[in-house]
Amino acid sequence: GDSVVQTEGQVLPSEGDSLIVNCSYETTQYPSLFWYVQYPGEGPQLHLKAMKANDKGRNKGFEAMYRKETTSFHLEKDSVQESDSAVYFCAPDNDMRFGAGTRLTVKP
Amino acid sequence: DVKVTQSSRYLVKRTGEKVFLECVQDMDHENMFWYRQDPGLGLRLIYFSYDVKMKEKGDIPEGYSVSREKKERFSLILESASTNQTSMYLCASSLGVGLATDTQYFGPGTRLTVL
Repeated sequence: GDSVVQTEGQVLPSEGDSLIVNCSYETTQYPSLFWYVQYPGEGPQLHLKAMKANDKGRNKGFEAMYRKETTSFHLEKDSVQESDSAVYFCAPDNDMRFGAGTRLTVKP
Repeated sequence: DVKVTQSSRYLVKRTGEKVFLECVQDMDHENMFWYRQDPGLGLRLIYFSYDVKMKEKGDIPEGYSVSREKKERFSLILESASTNQTSMYLCASSLGVGLATDTQYFGPGTRLTVL
């Protein structure tokens, strides 16, 4: 099956910093790509998605570009806020495999 | 809005007990999933179901079984709980007609502790 690798562990930017959380995947086909977000005490929820190559998913100031040539779907934001603190999971097209999760903790 | 509910938020059981985790979705979704979430390991798929009475093993089915007698309900069963099954369990559902491109909707999770 497909596999996905994302930025490991925890990321600790300060409020107003820019952010990139890496996601790369291995696949024998070209899936839709998802980022899920999990806030404390809740289950994951869809954050943004891109259905095909060169599409860009957007939500709450976050963006991710579906790059077929590099098989990547990095999550980016120009200026993070404390309220963005959560765990972020990258997932290709419901192969039902998720990345290990990246904990974003934004310092005030 | 899709709502996925799980029977308990917190559960404490003893080694060897049979444990039932229940999940219900209210949007007539075809697909339902059970994951466990552990620090550093992300979400790992235990079982999924794409139709009533149908089930497929995920990546870590050992020690678990599932039941889907009704479309809206998907139960995870730990036949004989062990301490290494202490974890957060997440149920999810998606619309169906193939698994591809479907957003998954998750419940709030059940934190199970096995003593």
